Amino acid sequence: DAKTTQPPSMDCAEGRAANLPCNHSTISGNEYVYWYRQIHSQGPQYIIHGLKNNETNEMASLIITEDRKSSTLILPHATLRDTAVYYCIVRATPGYSSASKIIFGSGTRLSIRP
Amino acid sequence: GAVVSQHPSWVICKSGTSVKIECRSLDFQATTMFWYRQFPKQSLMLMATSNEGSKATYEQGVEKDKFLINHASLTLSTLTVTSAHPEDSSFYICSAAKGQSSSSGRGEQFFGPGTRLTVL
Repeated sequence: DAKTTQPPSMDCAEGRAANLPCNHSTISGNEYVYWYRQIHSQGPQYIIHGLKNNETNEMASLIITEDRKSSTLILPHATLRDTAVYYCIVRATPGYSSASKIIFGSGTRLSIRP
Repeated sequence: GAVVSQHPSWVICKSGTSVKIECRSLDFQATTMFWYRQFPKQSLMLMATSNEGSKATYEQGVEKDKFLINHASLTLSTLTVTSAHPEDSSFYICSAAKGQSSSSGRGEQFFGPGTRLTVL
């Protein structure tokens, strides 16, 4: 799996949009961008994933640059419960062969201030 | 759907004893499960990949004789920390990947809530 680079920490005011960047300049054509988050002392939680088009779900939006070398996770209206470590991961398409392992980087520790 | 449970959620044991942690996929079949370890303020580190009915594949540096993994059914994998020592104290997390028979989300991984092991 390709390596990703994320800022170690960020903070955001409650109610504002939190924009978390991720660089993945060595991503391969068949690799997706996945985002997970981990709230303190819990298991990781899936947020969103995408290949090249922008994606949106009830939790967040994912913006992938045209060259696919970077992406941004957007939490549109951050709340205190969004305080967590956010991991950006690139991995091969699951499902068509055996499940591919997920290698976690250091992630971004997002703090939401009241 | 796609719920993964771990048992116990926390355990305290004496040095030298063995501890078994269970990982269950509650509403789907998981041909592959993964075990991670996480030390305080660090990221998750993959320990091993467990495939149902076959031997686990361990990551480099992980002692297979110390961390015994058994994946006897499509919904259960166990991790046994043998002869535990204080340095094995950590947060152990499993993930389960949906099997090929799933109607949707094949291969997607879902994480358990974690087990905190403290070795005295």
